[in-house]
Amino acid sequence: GAVVSQHPSWVICKSGTSVKIECRSLDFQATTMFWYRQFPKQSLMLMATSNEGSKATYEQGVEKDKFLINHASLTLSTLTVTSAHPEDSSFYICSLRRGQETQYFGPGTRLLVL
Amino acid sequence: TQLLEQSPQFLSIQEGENLTVYCNSSSVFSSLQWYRQEPGEGPVLLVTVVTGGEVKKLKRLTFQFGDARKDSSLHITAAQPGDTGLYLCAGSPNFGNEKLTFGTGTRLTIIP
Repeated sequence: GAVVSQHPSWVICKSGTSVKIECRSLDFQATTMFWYRQFPKQSLMLMATSNEGSKATYEQGVEKDKFLINHASLTLSTLTVTSAHPEDSSFYICSLRRGQETQYFGPGTRLLVL
Repeated sequence: TQLLEQSPQFLSIQEGENLTVYCNSSSVFSSLQWYRQEPGEGPVLLVTVVTGGEVKKLKRLTFQFGDARKDSSLHITAAQPGDTGLYLCAGSPNFGNEKLTFGTGTRLTIIP
């Protein structure tokens, strides 16, 4: 498998502020990481694909200017939720692919926007 | 858009019983994964199946990939309270395509 960490594990912020979430690969150099969002009692929805050294690829309906992704190195990708609003409250999960056809997930970051 | 429908959506059974969860699509997937997710945590990979008709066993869990690679099932024998969780199937549409499409999820509760 692969070891993936996220920081912070949970965050509470005021509406209008920005929040940065880090995703680290602890034992593997990942050129590609993925960011998902999961609302309560729902499945995971892919937000974007983070590519090291290039721009992220966003899924349809995901605002790239609101969810800024920076894949700074082969072991770190960050997701910044800009001008957060209560509807952005969710569980954000990153993953990386290791080996063929398999993804390994981080523990998730729970965001609550008041 | 490729969709993966899981059934049932919710399942609550007594400890010791058997159960089957289904994951169906009208599209073909090059591979399919099953994950279990606990509340407040990320999904944990259980198995990857890549060959049509493939059957994999993981202790009391049996996974099958349909012959046409459009569907999959997860069978649990003698369920235990530790099996409680959200079970998610996820598929890769093409070989080499890194994106995963997740199923709608099955929330399983095993009653002691």
